[in-house]
Amino acid sequence: AQTVTQSQPEMSVQEAETVTLSCTYDTSESDYYLFWYKQPPSRQMILVIRQEAYKQQNATENRFSVNFQKAAKSFSLKISDSQLGDAAMYFCAYSNFGNEKLTFGTGTRLTIIP
Amino acid sequence: DTGVSQDPRHKITKRGQNVTFRCDPISEHNRLYWYRQTLGQGPEFLTYFQNEAQLEKSRLLSDRFSAERPKGSFSTLEIQRTEQGDSAMYLCASSLALGQGAHNEQFFGPGTRLTVL
Repeated sequence: AQTVTQSQPEMSVQEAETVTLSCTYDTSESDYYLFWYKQPPSRQMILVIRQEAYKQQNATENRFSVNFQKAAKSFSLKISDSQLGDAAMYFCAYSNFGNEKLTFGTGTRLTIIP
Repeated sequence: DTGVSQDPRHKITKRGQNVTFRCDPISEHNRLYWYRQTLGQGPEFLTYFQNEAQLEKSRLLSDRFSAERPKGSFSTLEIQRTEQGDSAMYLCASSLALGQGAHNEQFFGPGTRLTVL
């Protein structure tokens, strides 16, 4: 079974600064997908960024980028120019190729300090 | 609003009672997922449907839990003889399956928070 581990229960960053959230995972599969989801307080979970394991190039979405290290089974999220609206729980998630079922980590609560 | 909706948003019940939650996915989406999220944890997969067929169920889904998607549109999740351990946020998500192997983004609803007294 696949597992996803987020070892940082809470992180904080000054507004406009950069923060990196960590995630490691375990799988015996070679083809899979990795995701970062954002869950703002009392609001719906939304997809921030995704990475296909077969792609060597790290995904980027505006201020959000990932550092995908397949051999190390590491998948970190970097948020640049942090904004107050980035405050949320961030979940790292995994799915096998061909099966959309998501396996989530325990989350990291990100606080933005004005 | 064309997003995923869930009803009710909050439910308080007494132990031993039955509860039913409803999820309305995005209209053209053919896949529908149920997850459970307990305090301080990430969501855990419960079950999913493609159209009206229930294709996978987690071992977390005990016999007291049943889910249906009768016409391939909305879905219901029923919990019979609720226990305090069932207290959680129940999340629904939907996606449009485009083909084999492709991962299709799941869009989540706001969840139903269940409290069992």
